Parts: sequence; structure tokens; C-alpha cells
Amino acid sequence: AAGVIQSPRHLIKEKRETATLKCYPIPRHDTVYWYQQGPGQDPQFLISFYEKMQSDKGSIPDRFSAQQFSDYHSELNMSSLELGDSALYFCASRSTGGDLYGYTFGSGTRLTVV
Amino acid sequence: QQPVQSPQAVILREGEDAVINCSSSKALYSVHWYRQKHGEAPVFLMILLKGGEQKGHDKISASFNEKKQQSSLYLTASQLSYSGTYFCGTERETGTASKLTFGTGTRLQVTL
Repeated sequence: AAGVIQSPRHLIKEKRETATLKCYPIPRHDTVYWYQQGPGQDPQFLISFYEKMQSDKGSIPDRFSAQQFSDYHSELNMSSLELGDSALYFCASRSTGGDLYGYTFGSGTRLTVV
Repeated sequence: QQPVQSPQAVILREGEDAVINCSSSKALYSVHWYRQKHGEAPVFLMILLKGGEQKGHDKISASFNEKKQQSSLYLTASQLSYSGTYFCGTERETGTASKLTFGTGTRLQVTL
């Protein structure tokens, strides 16, 4: 079965640089979510998209932006990177028509800011 | 507003049982349970919708008390593969506006 694909798997950036993380949701899933997970912490909700429109926003810094494209893939853009942005970034997708189904997470992108 | 889980950590011998609790201060539409191994993505275990149902498959089951805004995950006859961090995730509404808020996590280690 198709899964959520994230790229890259690992990314090393210097402070003040920019980074772009990509997410390809499961086909026919209409909602995409982005989460940030720091070391030893629980995943924190950043932002979500439903049918290519932003549907909700969590604790996402103004330096971050995201969008979902016509092919349903999503990108998280991070600028002026700080050391504290080092974390695992997960993308998840879900079909909102299926209340009985959970979120399917991608393998994540490990961002290290040096 | 983050759901609180208890215990924070538990160590089991293979074959023992465990219960993980999740408590929210807000009214909930649903509760999810996920298991995450170190450095990997959370893996969906099950979802419980409001209505006080109990679900399970194999040796893992869960209950959801909508009135108390609490859910419990039951692991019976634990296996080494059960090791990981368990998160409950709560949704306060359904549909396009739903999002998952993760609980504080419970680290489970199963030993021989």
C-alpha cells in the first residue's frame, strides 16, 4: 500500500539558512498535517491543509510557511533557521471522510541546524 | 490543554500486562492511540469515537469514557515488539477542522 513520502530524510543547515521539506500524501487523502517533534518530546501540530487550502494553524513560527499544491503534495518552508528548529518534522495525511481511520505519518525529515 | 498520560514510563517483563491512561480537560470527539519507536514515525493503533466504545485487536485494546474525557490503552501478554513510546491523540471536532493533539507520552519497555 502507498504510504506518505517525505523528503529529504535528513537535512543539515546552518543558522540563518532556509530549508524546504516536501511531503507526498497517500493518494485520495484530502488532508495533510505537519508536526514538529523535538528530542524526547511529543509531536507538536504546525499546520494543516484540506483540499489545498490551509485549514488550521498551530504553533508555527512566522519564519515558517507551508502550502499544498495542485497535485496535493505539500511543502514546509523554513527561513532564518535557528538552532532550536532542529527536530524531526513529520507530515501526515488522512481522509476526512473516514472518521474510523487515523493519521498516516511519513518517515519524517530530521533537520539539524548547526 | 495537552492530554496528560500516565504513567510516564513503565518497564514490563515479556508476557506481563500494562494499562496506559490518557486524560483530557476538554470535551473530545475522538481519541487515537499511536506507538512510536525511537527515530521513527508514530504508527496508528486504533481510534475511538465518542460513545463510550471499547475496541481492540489481538492483545491491544482501548476504552473511551466520553463523560470523563478519559481513555485507556490495555496491553496484554506484552511482547518485545511492544516497546516504544505510546501517545494518545485527541480530536475535539471532526471533519476538515480536526487536528490531533498528542498527549504527554508513555515510554514502555518490554524486557525478557
